[in-house]
Amino acid sequence: DAKTTQPPSMDCAEGRAANLPCNHSTISGNEYVYWYRQIHSQGPQYIIHGLKNNETNEMASLIITEDRKSSTLILPHATLRDTAVYYCIVSGKYGGATNKLIFGTGTLLAVQP
Amino acid sequence: GAGVSQTPSNKVTEKGKYVELRCDPISGHTALYWYRQSLGQGPEFLIYFQGTGAADDSGLPNDRFFAVRPEGSVSTLKIQRTERGDSAVYLCASSVGTDHTGELFFGEGSRLTVL
Repeated sequence: DAKTTQPPSMDCAEGRAANLPCNHSTISGNEYVYWYRQIHSQGPQYIIHGLKNNETNEMASLIITEDRKSSTLILPHATLRDTAVYYCIVSGKYGGATNKLIFGTGTLLAVQP
Repeated sequence: GAGVSQTPSNKVTEKGKYVELRCDPISGHTALYWYRQSLGQGPEFLIYFQGTGAADDSGLPNDRFFAVRPEGSVSTLKIQRTERGDSAVYLCASSVGTDHTGELFFGEGSRLTVL
């Protein structure tokens, strides 16, 4: 699986947009970019995923660069409840077809009041 | 409940003992995953089931770890001769299938402490 690189931590003011970067320079053509987050003492929670095009849902937006070597997760109006570790994961189908996700150490986003 | 259920939520055991951790996936989900998470680290993949069979067990650290899913629903992770290094949160997840569009739904985890 392609490796991802994320900053270990970020701060964001409440009500402001949080922009979380992720580098995945070795991503291959059939690999998707997934974002999950993990609030303290809970299991990870799916946020969004994409292949080439930018994606938006009720939680966030995902911006993928044209060369697909990096992406940015955007939380448009961060709240205190968005404080969590955010994981950027690249995963593709291979062999027997699995969406096994390999987590890194993620970015700890701290939303400040 | 509608989510992934894991029991026990906390387990304290002594070194050398046998432990079983249970996962009830979301009804109808054919894929089931086990991860473990040590403090300050991201979840580490252990094993993945598609139906009753283990499709990928490449993450199991050694032969003390074993998992079953006999009827394609509930799964049990079994750890023999526990060691202090096995202390971690063991997470279970399920998904509708193995398509890319299928998100993984995680449980709250079982915290294992080996004294």
